[in-house]
Amino acid sequence: DVKVTQSSRYLVKRTGEKVFLECVQDMDHENMFWYRQDPGLGLRLIYFSYDVKMKEKGDIPEGYSVSREKKERFSLILESASTNQTSMYLCASSDSVNTEAFFGQGTRLTVV
Amino acid sequence: AQSVTQPDIHITVSEGASLELRCNYSYGATPYLFWYVQSPGQGLQLLLKYFSGDTLVQGIKGFEAEFKRSQSSFNLRKPSVHWSDAAEYFCAVAPANQAGTALIFGKGTTLSVSS
Repeated sequence: DVKVTQSSRYLVKRTGEKVFLECVQDMDHENMFWYRQDPGLGLRLIYFSYDVKMKEKGDIPEGYSVSREKKERFSLILESASTNQTSMYLCASSDSVNTEAFFGQGTRLTVV
Repeated sequence: AQSVTQPDIHITVSEGASLELRCNYSYGATPYLFWYVQSPGQGLQLLLKYFSGDTLVQGIKGFEAEFKRSQSSFNLRKPSVHWSDAAEYFCAVAPANQAGTALIFGKGTTLSVSS
């Protein structure tokens, strides 16, 4: 069974902290994505990566960075967390033939 | 720019009644189209997808969707709703023939099921 695993389901961090959200996929997919989900706004793309060490900005990259050192792992980094980054974060992956994305369970981040 | 509109924010349907969730997209060519479902506190699960061919697509859990090019729509339907169908539903699009492109999502429709 295909699997995208996010390291934490719930996180509480303080304003100004550096936060790492980790995502691992076991499907050997080339493409990985980070979305942010907020009520009434749907899913918005933060960053995506189509290969190791490659990254592309999505629609809302400000305040975020990403790292992809290995094919299976894609990390989202909040350099200095702020309260407006309190949200649900969803990681996804897809291969280079199909466009269907497989999603992790999500990380609900609260910044206080 | 590509966009997806789900006109209904919240729908309530009686158990056993039929369901239709609307989705309209804006794109220069025929895109790939998807419907995902999200149960509370969970990630997104793919219900069905349209790439080409037959415009009526069958998915999991008894759902189907019909692609109508003339209306730029991809509405999701189910003939008889079960209480377990209560969830949030997202329509998504991606450019055709560009595998690996990020999906663009609508804002979602929350489905409540009454007994």
